[in-house]
Amino acid sequence: KAGVTQTPRYLIKTRGQQVTLSCSPISGHRSVSWYQQTPGQGLQFLFEYFSETQRNKGNFPGRFSGRQFSNSRSEMNVSTLELGDSALYLCASSPISGQGGNSPLHFGNGTRLTVT
Amino acid sequence: AQSVTQLDSQVPVFEEAPVELRCNYSSSVSVYLFWYVQYPNQGLQLLLKYLSGSTLVKGINGFEAEFNKSQTSFHLRKPSVHISDTAEYFCAVSLPGNNRKLIWGLGTSLAVNP
Repeated sequence: KAGVTQTPRYLIKTRGQQVTLSCSPISGHRSVSWYQQTPGQGLQFLFEYFSETQRNKGNFPGRFSGRQFSNSRSEMNVSTLELGDSALYLCASSPISGQGGNSPLHFGNGTRLTVT
Repeated sequence: AQSVTQLDSQVPVFEEAPVELRCNYSSSVSVYLFWYVQYPNQGLQLLLKYLSGSTLVKGINGFEAEFNKSQTSFHLRKPSVHISDTAEYFCAVSLPGNNRKLIWGLGTSLAVNP
């Protein structure tokens, strides 16, 4: 079974631009969660999508948005990029909604975003 | 609200030595507890989890953790580490049941030296 695939692996953008990151979950998984990882803040939860509906949301500004398609693939968009958005963005999939229940999260290798 | 504290941000250790990575949590109700590992340039993967039952939980790669309710701790241990165990380790907690968010610790960087 293929794992969680995130594209692209690396991205360099300029302040003010926007970016779209993609995540393909494990086949059969309907939940996709997104995280921002930085050295100082650790893992910060962005949002979770389950069956095309946003189920949970973290404390990020509206510049961060996401969506999920009928095949469970998910995209995350960040508009008006700021220097502080530089981070590793991880997505994780699960067959059920939520991240802390009986079914563990399966993570992709992340997209490293650098904003200059 | 729940919170997680990983007491050591960095743990250096020599190969074949034992290691303990400490995790304390705060919660007024029962919780589920998890340890995830992140190898360099990779995503996270589940090492082990405690949902209920036996307080000693065994995971992958020879790791185990003990749930201590009175001390609200869930420390991760391995009796003999390898170079390949060098990674970032994350402790996390959630409320029981599904559709729950994970609350994450800031991580402990384990560096195994020859």
